[in-house]
Amino acid sequence: DAGITQSPRHKVTETGTPVTLRCHQTENHRYMYWYRQDPGHGLRLIHYSYGVKDTDKGEVSDGYSVSRSKTEDFLLTLESATSSQTSVYFCAISFGNGTGGFNQPQHFGDGTRLSIL
Amino acid sequence: DAKTTQPNSMESNEEEPVHLPCNHSTISGTDYIHWYRQLPSQGPEYVIHGLTSNVNNRMASLAIAEDRKSSTLILHRATLRDAAVYYCILRDVQGGSEKLVFGKGTKLTVNP
Repeated sequence: DAGITQSPRHKVTETGTPVTLRCHQTENHRYMYWYRQDPGHGLRLIHYSYGVKDTDKGEVSDGYSVSRSKTEDFLLTLESATSSQTSVYFCAISFGNGTGGFNQPQHFGDGTRLSIL
Repeated sequence: DAKTTQPNSMESNEEEPVHLPCNHSTISGTDYIHWYRQLPSQGPEYVIHGLTSNVNNRMASLAIAEDRKSSTLILHRATLRDAAVYYCILRDVQGGSEKLVFGKGTKLTVNP
């Protein structure tokens, strides 16, 4: 168990409201990632972080922002939720002695199921 | 995108070996081949990864072709708990941005 926790596990909210999802790790890994998974699209990278206050965009970053003020927490915010952001969101961290990057294995959380009505 | 090609589905019987193939003809010289699996209603789970040599761990073995354009994930004795979608994944680098490209994977059914 890589000690990764996502919260909340389920959320239902209305269009236009801000939503923040939290990913917490206890392993002190440098790299953390946010993905979304939708039928027919597989997993797609939203944003990732390579250290405290160091983040970068993934392939589907529009409408999302992230923050990492400490090593253990990576927050994903939907600034104004839309129905197209209804999805299952997965956080991941990289293994590998505190280093990481996309050539290192990733460990995933159990996901947050988000429904936007 | 760094593309991989996998069969959509495969079927196996319990306690028999399973060989899951993956083609990745555009792989670059420094990229690892990763395998993950995903059980229903769970997040993806790391299975194994390798660069050039065959790799073994407690979950599976990874056989990599000499030219690295294909690989095979081997489950030595399938169990019902191995029923999942298996993803063969490469790193994709475009314009300085990196990502792992998760395709549709292979859905493995294990029959009792």
